[in-house]
Amino acid sequence: GAVVSQHPSRVICKSGTSVKIECRSLDFQATTMFWYRQFPKQSLMLMATSNEGSKATYEQGVEKDKFLINHASLTLSTLTVTSAHPEDSSFYICSALLQGVNEKLFFGSGTQLSVL
Amino acid sequence: RKEVEQDPGPFNVPEGATVAFNCTYSNSASQSFFWYRQDCRKEPKLLMSVYSSGNEDGRFTAQLNRASQYISLLIRDSKLSDSATYLCVVDTYGQNFVFGPGTRLSVLP
Repeated sequence: GAVVSQHPSRVICKSGTSVKIECRSLDFQATTMFWYRQFPKQSLMLMATSNEGSKATYEQGVEKDKFLINHASLTLSTLTVTSAHPEDSSFYICSALLQGVNEKLFFGSGTQLSVL
Repeated sequence: RKEVEQDPGPFNVPEGATVAFNCTYSNSASQSFFWYRQDCRKEPKLLMSVYSSGNEDGRFTAQLNRASQYISLLIRDSKLSDSATYLCVVDTYGQNFVFGPGTRLSVLP
């Protein structure tokens, strides 16, 4: 199956720092990628849809200035958590859309962010 | 009403049992349907796509009822390794994958 690489897998940082997470589709081009957040024992929450070459579309309640998304190429989208605070600690997962007759979503392995 | 709803769970079943999960969706224009499984602290992985005629993959059977806007997943002969959260996913207009809240399954020895 298609491969999506997400880095880093784990980040521990101090409050106030910014953290960048990368999501790469390794063997297909993805014009659309998605970013999710998941708190313990809760379901995936879509944060934003990342579109190559244009601005991301954010879900209601997600601050676009807090969670910066850049999708500069067909294989890379980045999520930057700016001025992270302890309440931003969560599991962040990206996915890339493999378009075609039978569209499918492939997920990165996730990033566990812990803000101290 | 939420776009995608699933059985609340959790389901605790003995090894070898048959278990069925249900999922309903609200948008009648939805085009594609999937079941994903997610292990704790891991990314969701595609289990199977769901086709109009229903489809089977080994011990897993998925069915779609467009008229009732209902999807199901049946797992036969449950294994310990089937323990996970099962996510129903509905795709509308090709760019809007909506995830259900998931149903947790624990298969007990």
